[in-house]
Amino acid sequence: KQEVTQIPAALSVPEGENLVLNCSFTDSAIYNLQWFRQDPGKGLTSLLLIQSSQREQTSGRLNASLDKSSGRSTLYIAASQPGDSATYLCAVRPGGATNKLIFGTGTLLAVQP
Amino acid sequence: GAGVSQSPRYKVAKRGQDVALRCDPISGHVSLFWYQQALGQGPEFLTYFQNEAQLDKSGLPSDRFFAERPEGSVSTLKIQRTQQEDSAVYLCASSLEGGGWEPQHFGDGTRLSIL
Repeated sequence: KQEVTQIPAALSVPEGENLVLNCSFTDSAIYNLQWFRQDPGKGLTSLLLIQSSQREQTSGRLNASLDKSSGRSTLYIAASQPGDSATYLCAVRPGGATNKLIFGTGTLLAVQP
Repeated sequence: GAGVSQSPRYKVAKRGQDVALRCDPISGHVSLFWYQQALGQGPEFLTYFQNEAQLDKSGLPSDRFFAERPEGSVSTLKIQRTQQEDSAVYLCASSLEGGGWEPQHFGDGTRLSIL
């Protein structure tokens, strides 16, 4: 059974720092991995999608990497800003016929001004 | 529409009542998903539609949960004889294609509270 774990559960950094969020999954047979952010009381906003054949994706100050063989992904945020404060979730689409996503429990990020 | 729209945003019901939650996906999106998110947890999959066909309902926790998408656009998640453990945020997501390689786009969810 696929399980997704995110470490740390919470993180507080001063504004301007670069930071890394970690995501690990137990079954390397995935189609893709998606990173989301969730603001309080809101739905999920898709940040980056990495297909299983890709190693990384970049969007602005965000860079996500994928090492499928070791079951790991990282989300790198450069020059963090208070507006980056949110919960960050990673999710994998398992192999097979289903298109569902399996989520981790998230990392709560606070960027202090 | 511009994004996935869910209604109502908040729903309070007494234990034993039936509730219906609505999802309007992004126009033209083939795939539609329902997830349940408990407080402090990541979303958990409930069910998946490709157009009007319900291809996966393995995540529905009991036969009190029922979902439909009769015309391949709007979807309704119905919960019968609600119980307190049904309290959660119910999220709907849609994606453009049915192959699973497109990103899923989420609505803001319906926060359900069972008293």
